[in-house]
Amino acid sequence: EAGVVQSPRYKIIEKKQPVAFWCNPISGHNTLYWYLQNLGQGPELLIRYENEEAVDDSQLPKDRFSAERLKGVDSTLKIQPAELGDSAVYLCASSFTSGRGGNEQFFGPGTRLTVL
Amino acid sequence: GENVEQHPSTLSVQEGDSAVIKCTYSDSASNYFPWYKQELGKRPQLIIDIRSNVGEKKDQRIAVTLNKTAKHFSLHITETQPEDSAVYFCAASNEVGGNQFYFGTGTSLTVIP
Repeated sequence: EAGVVQSPRYKIIEKKQPVAFWCNPISGHNTLYWYLQNLGQGPELLIRYENEEAVDDSQLPKDRFSAERLKGVDSTLKIQPAELGDSAVYLCASSFTSGRGGNEQFFGPGTRLTVL
Repeated sequence: GENVEQHPSTLSVQEGDSAVIKCTYSDSASNYFPWYKQELGKRPQLIIDIRSNVGEKKDQRIAVTLNKTAKHFSLHITETQPEDSAVYFCAASNEVGGNQFYFGTGTSLTVIP
């Protein structure tokens, strides 16, 4: 079974430029997460989707960040414009939410963003 | 919301010794507690998890214990090996109330050969 796929793996941009990250979750997983991970810290949730619906985006800086999951499968996270402080690893994860358990979460390899 | 605290932040042990990492949580509705291992530059990998209907779970050299009353859970690694060196994260989730995961701040484990 293929795991969570993310691209690109690395991205270097200059500040004020836009950037986009793509995620393909595990087949059949209805819940998709975008996390931000700074060096030496745990993942911090940016947004969580159940199918196409963003059910938790309270931590997403909406002035510059946006996300979409149009068909309830792949997802894109965008930053426009990027700032120096956005340099981090952006992790995508997925799980199957049934409300009855079995909701193991699996992570993608992440995109390491460097803003110069 | 949920608050997960993790200790210690760094841990060094001699090869063959045991390592214990502890986490506490605040929301009594949390009922699923996974542990992740993250090697440098790699993705977090699920290594073991426990649900609130059991108090202990073991998988070879790794075990997790849960005390619901005290709201804490621990990861135990026995007979540590150099390849166990990594950052370990605990997390808490409510499987019924939505699938949001709250992570601890991580423990950097170093196993000294």
